[in-house]
Amino acid sequence: DQQVKQNSPSLSVQEGRISILNCDYTNSMFDYFLWYKKYPAEGPTFLISISSIKDKNEDGRFTVFLNKSAKHLSLHIVPSQPGDSAVYFCAASEETSGSRLTFGEGTQLTVNP
Amino acid sequence: DAGVTQSPTHLIKTRGQQVTLRCSPKSGHDTVSWYQQALGQGPQFIFQYYEEEERQRGNFPDRFSGHQFPNYSSELNVNALLLGDSALYLCASSFTLPNRNTIYFGEGSWLTVV
Repeated sequence: DQQVKQNSPSLSVQEGRISILNCDYTNSMFDYFLWYKKYPAEGPTFLISISSIKDKNEDGRFTVFLNKSAKHLSLHIVPSQPGDSAVYFCAASEETSGSRLTFGEGTQLTVNP
Repeated sequence: DAGVTQSPTHLIKTRGQQVTLRCSPKSGHDTVSWYQQALGQGPQFIFQYYEEEERQRGNFPDRFSGHQFPNYSSELNVNALLLGDSALYLCASSFTLPNRNTIYFGEGSWLTVV
């Protein structure tokens, strides 16, 4: 039972354009959502998060949108840069489970110069 | 300030053998979680240790066991290795009562079972 799904295994965009990565979840107990970025041979690094009490969180070029009724979230990167090329993981957690994370399968983002 | 450190970075084991992976959490963190990331998949939660006890466990068989030491470092042990255990094993550290942004991952240990 895949509770967090990223349906696009890969995404390719031009430098300077917007990248939109999508994530869907099924567990209504999830109340906190995170995006991690992973380069090869490195561990995942935290990018941005959003609590279920919000519908948007912004940090520089990165914005996460949450649609609770649709159980959908998305990460927008504007403008995209070649250094953003990496695998992006969506993760979710329940308050009662603390730091236990449930991850999606990841989306490989390639930003072309 | 050292982040999460894991060892070894790469290892090859034969089917049926046992393996031990090690993790030192980020300074000040007291909780350690282990994840398995198979090729092309997202990390899957194995278990979490706090106060030297297993507090939560994911859907992994008993062949996967762990330990946390008084200095908060942790080991992951896998017995009777199967080919399907080949994966990247990630350690994550955090505080007991986390701001859930403060979950840090190590670079992982690549395990190949042949």
